[in-house]
Amino acid sequence: EDQVTQSPEALRLQEGESSSLNCSYTVSGLRGLFWYRQDPGKGPEFLFTLYSAGEEKEKERLKATLTKKESFLHITAPKPEDSATYLCAVASYGQNFVFGPGTRLSVLP
Amino acid sequence: EPEVTQTPSHQVTQMGQEVILRCVPISNHLYFYWYRQILGQKVEFLVSFYNNEISEKSEIFDDQFSVERPDGSNFTLKIRSTKLEDSAMYFCASSGTGYYNEQFFGPGTRLTVL
Repeated sequence: EDQVTQSPEALRLQEGESSSLNCSYTVSGLRGLFWYRQDPGKGPEFLFTLYSAGEEKEKERLKATLTKKESFLHITAPKPEDSATYLCAVASYGQNFVFGPGTRLSVLP
Repeated sequence: EPEVTQTPSHQVTQMGQEVILRCVPISNHLYFYWYRQILGQKVEFLVSFYNNEISEKSEIFDDQFSVERPDGSNFTLKIRSTKLEDSAMYFCASSGTGYYNEQFFGPGTRLTVL
């Protein structure tokens, strides 16, 4: 069965302290790996889609990378407004969008 | 900026009652999805819809669930006979560029089954 795990479960950073979030997956035939940001009580907000190993995408302080077994979301010099839960989801052949449990990020001023 | 809207924001119902959750996807989007998130748990895929028919559905999406696009703008999820375990946040999403491309989520409907 396809699985998506994320680590750490929670992360507290000081403002400006860069770090990375991990998403590990086991799927047969990856169609896409997705990163979302979710604020409490709201719907997920799309960040990135990655389709093949070696692909990288950037947006402001965020950079997502993909290998054959995992993806990293790098956060450079985070600000308090980056505090949220970051979700990873995977779509594969014959299996629709499977979400990981998320990483709760807190950035302290 | 266009956005996905959902109504109602909160629905309270009695067990066994039927509920309809409504969504207005982004205009000109072609792919539509429903997800649910039980409090404190993962987001779970329910169903996808394209070209006026279901594309894919998960094991959760049993005979108690149905989806419809009754007109050119609305996309609905119906639960025929609600159970306590149906209590969750239900999110609608739409995509305009492809089934596996970026999805825009609505704010969700919180369903409480008593």
